[in-house]
Amino acid sequence: GNSVTQMEGPVTLSEEAFLTINCTYTATGYPSLFWYVQYPGEGLQLLLKATKADDKGSNKGFEATYRKETTSFHLEKGSVQVSDSAVYFCALSDYSGGGADGLTFGKGTHLIIQP
Amino acid sequence: DAGVIQSPRHEVTEMGQEVTLRCKPISGHDYLFWYRQTMMRGLELLIYFNNNVPIDDSGMPEDRFSAKMPNASFSTLKIQPSEPRDSAVYFCASSATGLISNEQFFGPGTRLTVL
Repeated sequence: GNSVTQMEGPVTLSEEAFLTINCTYTATGYPSLFWYVQYPGEGLQLLLKATKADDKGSNKGFEATYRKETTSFHLEKGSVQVSDSAVYFCALSDYSGGGADGLTFGKGTHLIIQP
Repeated sequence: DAGVIQSPRHEVTEMGQEVTLRCKPISGHDYLFWYRQTMMRGLELLIYFNNNVPIDDSGMPEDRFSAKMPNASFSTLKIQPSEPRDSAVYFCASSATGLISNEQFFGPGTRLTVL
């Protein structure tokens, strides 16, 4: 079956520090990969995505590269801000053919940025 | 665009009572997903629909849970009778055929507390 493993937090960093949140996956097919972010009391928002090997998703200074050889999709940001404090979820969708399927999520990583 | 709408945002009920959660997907989306989020198990897919038809309900925990989608703009998730272990945040998400990456758009969630 499909699974996503991501580092568990909380991860505490100082403002302007470099961020890496590791994510690895197992899938039977050729999945699409996502990072979602959840701010306190809110739903999940799509942060970035990648649909094929070597694709780089990017948004709001965050980046992640789809690495098929290492089955990884690590999230990075060069300089974090207090406003980046949230829970980050790595997810995959293992479906092709123009339809949709449920997402498989990692457990989430709670990121805390201190001023 | 109004996004995915869920109601109520918070629900507190007593064990044994019936609970109904509601969701309105984004107009034009033909897929609708129900997820549950708990501290212990993270985000889990419960059931999803395509064109109002349930496609996969293997994630529904037990017979106490049921979901319906009577039309393209409305879905319900019902728990009867509710138990304290059902306490969680329930998310609805929608997606559309043709979105290559199977990007899903999440509602704000319903926080359910069963006493």
